[in-house]
Amino acid sequence: GAGVSQTPSNKVTEKGKYVELRCDPISGHTALYWYRQSLGQGPEFLIYFQGTGAADDSGLPNDRFFAVRPEGSVSTLKIQRTERGDSAVYLCASSLSGELFFGEGSRLTVL
Amino acid sequence: KQEVTQIPAALSVPEGENLVLNCSFTDSAIYNLQWFRQDPGKGLTSLLLIQSSQREQTSGRLNASLDKSSGRSTLYIAASQPGDSATYLCAVRLGGAGNMLTFGGGTRLMVKP
Repeated sequence: GAGVSQTPSNKVTEKGKYVELRCDPISGHTALYWYRQSLGQGPEFLIYFQGTGAADDSGLPNDRFFAVRPEGSVSTLKIQRTERGDSAVYLCASSLSGELFFGEGSRLTVL
Repeated sequence: KQEVTQIPAALSVPEGENLVLNCSFTDSAIYNLQWFRQDPGKGLTSLLLIQSSQREQTSGRLNASLDKSSGRSTLYIAASQPGDSATYLCAVRLGGAGNMLTFGGGTRLMVKP
């Protein structure tokens, strides 16, 4: 597709469950970013991939969060043992030459 | 650690006014700065990208300026319209082209007909 695609657009889960969020970047974009946005706040950085490798994962809040990008294109953000505080919109962005293009986000609600 | 602040947090203006949104950052060694628009429940749409060597960028009724030495950027919107109502976010990148962006908290703009 022409833009960054994220699925699911909405996910409701129960505390303690495992969740996967998927990001399909713009074709040819080598850099991929995950951000988390809480209501009324700016996005907070989680992790950045250059190709298949995580170039910077300093924003991941704890070891329950993990992300992969095995073939250098699609990425999956994985959250284990979800907590209510994980509820937020998870945004993915891709970039080729410095300008970031964002998807519509995945809204996660942990009950 | 880079910190980005946007003032005001919210702004309400009548249609037709020219307005200025402010963004300040603590580390002036930025690589570039990007302004985004976010509609409720939506993702971010890139408006303007200013490289560290540039002073301003223009797109239609939007003009963004950058003053690295003072750690400031402004987004100027001319002849505002109700369709401009959204949250505007600025974000800065340190170091190289691939590094992460640090975002401000955004300015929620309401343009009244």
